[in-house]
Amino acid sequence: SQELEQSPQSLIVQEGKNLTINCTSSKTLYGLYWYKQKYGEGLIFLMMLQKGGEEKSHEKITAKLDEKKQQSSLHITASQPSHAGIYLCGADPSGTYKYIFGTGTRLKVLA
Amino acid sequence: DSGVTQTPKHLITATGQRVTLRCSPRSGDLSVYWYQQSLDQGLQFLIQYYNGEERAKGNILERFSAQQFPDLHSELNLSSLELGDSALYFCASSVATSHEQFFGPGTRLTVL
Repeated sequence: SQELEQSPQSLIVQEGKNLTINCTSSKTLYGLYWYKQKYGEGLIFLMMLQKGGEEKSHEKITAKLDEKKQQSSLHITASQPSHAGIYLCGADPSGTYKYIFGTGTRLKVLA
Repeated sequence: DSGVTQTPKHLITATGQRVTLRCSPRSGDLSVYWYQQSLDQGLQFLIQYYNGEERAKGNILERFSAQQFPDLHSELNLSSLELGDSALYFCASSVATSHEQFFGPGTRLTVL
C-alpha cells in the first residue's frame, strides 16, 4: 500500500525565517493535497497539486509537486507565528478514493 | 469556519456502548468522508459517500458503519466500543470526489 512520509517531523524556527517541509510518497503520486491543522481542530485546506511540476502559492506558502521524485515540498517564506500548526500532506493513491495522509510536520514559530 | 458541522463536539462513553456521530456537509457538497485521528495511527480514512452511495472504504472496522441520507447529512455509528476507539473523528465534504475536502471541527470520543 502507498504511504506518505513527511520530514521533518517537527520544526522550530524564528519568526521571519524561511522553511521547507517535504512529503515523499512510496509510490507514484497522482495529485497531492496540503492541509494545516491547529492542535485538536479540523484540517484547513491549503493547496491541491495535480500535475508534475505544478507549483501553487497561497499568501506566503508555496507548494510544488515533483512526480519523478514522488515528492512534494511546502515552502513558507518569512514565517510568522500564525503559520504555527501541523502540516499534513494527503493523496488519493492511484485514484482509489481511499485517501491517505502523511504523519504530519509540527511547526512552531518563535516570535 | 469550513461550513461542515459535526455533532456532538465531545462524547464520553463506556466500553461496549454504541454512539452515533453526525455530520452536515457544506451546502452543495455531495461527497462526505469520515476519518479517525489518533496519536499512534495518525489520520486514517474510514469511508466515503457520494450522493448517498458508498464510494470507497478504508480502514473501517466491522463494528463501525456509516450512511449518507437523502438530505446529504451523514452519520457514523460506532458499536461495541473499546478503549482503543478513543480518538478524534472528522467528517469532511467536497463538491465531488478528487476535489479539495473541507473538514469539520471533529468529534472527540473518549471511551472509558
